[in-house]
Amino acid sequence: DAKTTQPPSMDCAEGRAANLPCNHSTISGNEYVYWYRQIHSQGPQYIIHGLKNNETNEMASLIITEDRKSSTLILPHATLRDTAVYYCIVRVGNQGGKLIFGQGTELSVKP
Amino acid sequence: EAGVAQSPRYKIIEKRQSVAFWCNPISGHATLYWYQQILGQGPKLLIQFQNNGVVDDSQLPKDRFSAERLKGVDSTLKIQPAKLEDSAVYLCASSYGPGEYEQYFGPGTRLTVT
Repeated sequence: DAKTTQPPSMDCAEGRAANLPCNHSTISGNEYVYWYRQIHSQGPQYIIHGLKNNETNEMASLIITEDRKSSTLILPHATLRDTAVYYCIVRVGNQGGKLIFGQGTELSVKP
Repeated sequence: EAGVAQSPRYKIIEKRQSVAFWCNPISGHATLYWYQQILGQGPKLLIQFQNNGVVDDSQLPKDRFSAERLKGVDSTLKIQPAKLEDSAVYLCASSYGPGEYEQYFGPGTRLTVT
């Protein structure tokens, strides 16, 4: 079973920041937080991951709370092409590697 | 760099028939995954290979599903015989190794069983 809780859907205006929350209250100390997204009719795409510290790359920023029980994915300037299902996944970094997907958040970016 | 290739993209079969899917991972990626994604749900791992060995097949319905990765590169997933509930998108993914490495997904094969 997925170890994360996400809202089923969110809307965002084009050009504004999209903030996608994720709860992972049972996360263990050696588990990373990963974010993937899946655009319609495509395979999932890696966005970003982190353990304790906040992370930023060319696609997004990941903010992890100090107690690591929740996180937020931030798309700083959402475009129509960011419309997708976003999955928050907790994953043990040094074992196996499989991803356990939940239902995700369906983000709709509107003009 | 070429991505993960899958074929066919679409397949329609009748129940009790057999079907096979093919996956070519990114060059140099040792780990290969097959996921099943039923409409409206997130992908579910069926089997994970490390080179040509199986690491995890705990979610694979072994009475009808089989997979192989000969020579540690390409992989095939087979269903025989198919059931209506096997209708789904079958996604192949690869990564440089197990653990922390990000997974790259192919476009998937959409299977419809009638």
